[in-house]
Amino acid sequence: DAKTTQPNSMESNEEEPVHLPCNHSTISGTDYIHWYRQLPSQGPEYVIHGLTSNVNNRMASLAIAEDRKSSTLILHRATLRDAAVYYCILRNNFGNEKLTFGTGTRLTIIP
Amino acid sequence: DAGITQSPRHKVTETGTPVTLRCHQTENHRYMYWYRQDPGHGLRLIHYSYGVKDTDKGEVSDGYSVSRSKTEDFLLTLESATSSQTSVYFCAIVRQVGTEAFFGQGTRLTVV
Repeated sequence: DAKTTQPNSMESNEEEPVHLPCNHSTISGTDYIHWYRQLPSQGPEYVIHGLTSNVNNRMASLAIAEDRKSSTLILHRATLRDAAVYYCILRNNFGNEKLTFGTGTRLTIIP
Repeated sequence: DAGITQSPRHKVTETGTPVTLRCHQTENHRYMYWYRQDPGHGLRLIHYSYGVKDTDKGEVSDGYSVSRSKTEDFLLTLESATSSQTSVYFCAIVRQVGTEAFFGQGTRLTVV
């Protein structure tokens, strides 16, 4: 399985943009980049996903490098409720998916 | 609400006793997963199912077994609980490969 690498932790000030990086140098052409987040004492929840082009939704934006070996999740204006562990994972649409997660990035928001 | 329920939500059990955790879904999703989460380890896959009676091992399957006799239920059994299995257990469902995963609220299991 293609793996991802994320920083263990990051801090950001409230109401400022946050850029969460993810490296996936062994990504295959059919792998989608997915992001999930886990708020304290809750199960993970879906944030966003993309293949090649940058993506936006109501929660965040996903910027994908041209060579697809890295990506960045962008929270445009962080709030205290965005404090969570963010997971970057690779998924494809073939076979029986094991759906594995790494340790993610713990994001702390400073008031 | 993604229609996924874990039971029980909390359980304390003694070492050596069998324990079964239940994941129930109302979505008719094909894929179901069991994870455990411990400090410093993120989510680790225990077992997963890609259909009724079709299951496979994950990263940390030793000491655990699973069963899926119908689409809506995925059971995780600890045959003989040990203190190292004290953890928070999460269930997830996926409609088809590559689509959004929905997670349950978790079961906190303590083995004393």
